[in-house]
Amino acid sequence: GIQVEQSPPDLILQEGANSTLRCNFSDSVNNLQWFHQNPWGQLINLFYIPSGTKQNGRLSATTVATERYSLLYISSSQTTDSGVYFCAVAGAGNNRKLIWGLGTSLAVNP
Amino acid sequence: NAGVTQTPKFQVLKTGQSMTLQCAQDMNHNSMYWYRQDPGMGLRLIYYSASEGTTDKGEVPNGYNVSRLNKREFSLRLESAAPSQTSVYFCASSEISYEQYFGPGTRLTVT
Repeated sequence: GIQVEQSPPDLILQEGANSTLRCNFSDSVNNLQWFHQNPWGQLINLFYIPSGTKQNGRLSATTVATERYSLLYISSSQTTDSGVYFCAVAGAGNNRKLIWGLGTSLAVNP
Repeated sequence: NAGVTQTPKFQVLKTGQSMTLQCAQDMNHNSMYWYRQDPGMGLRLIYYSASEGTTDKGEVPNGYNVSRLNKREFSLRLESAAPSQTSVYFCASSEISYEQYFGPGTRLTVT
């Protein structure tokens, strides 16, 4: 099955800094989503981005499907950005069966 | 709209006991999912229901059963709980776009 690798596993930032999180996947995908799990455990869908680029406020994401990676950019980080960021993908066979990476744990210090 | 709701929020079971986790969504989504999350790990799909009346196995279905009661509700049953089923359980739903929306989770401990 598809393998999903996220890097870095851990990241510590000062408030106001920018960061880039990476997701590599081992096969073609028809579905790629980025999620944020906040310190209270709630999972929030950030982007559905099997290809191309999207932006939402301070967050943006780019997926280069032909090279099998996706990037999540966080600009001007805030303490509320802390938590774990997950990338999840699904292959051509079934768009609903997401395979999840292990996440990047982000701590933003004031 | 409440989105995706799950009950209970917390549960402690003894080995061998049974229980049902409830999930409901008010977004009129066709697809619903059950995941488990273990410490330091991503989520793993247990079962999903692409539409009312259908259910399919995910990565880790053993020890679980599901029921898609109607379009809104999707329940997960543990017939004979085991300590290995100690986990946080998440329910999610999605529509044609496949973007998944999650409930708040149920923290289950099996002793």
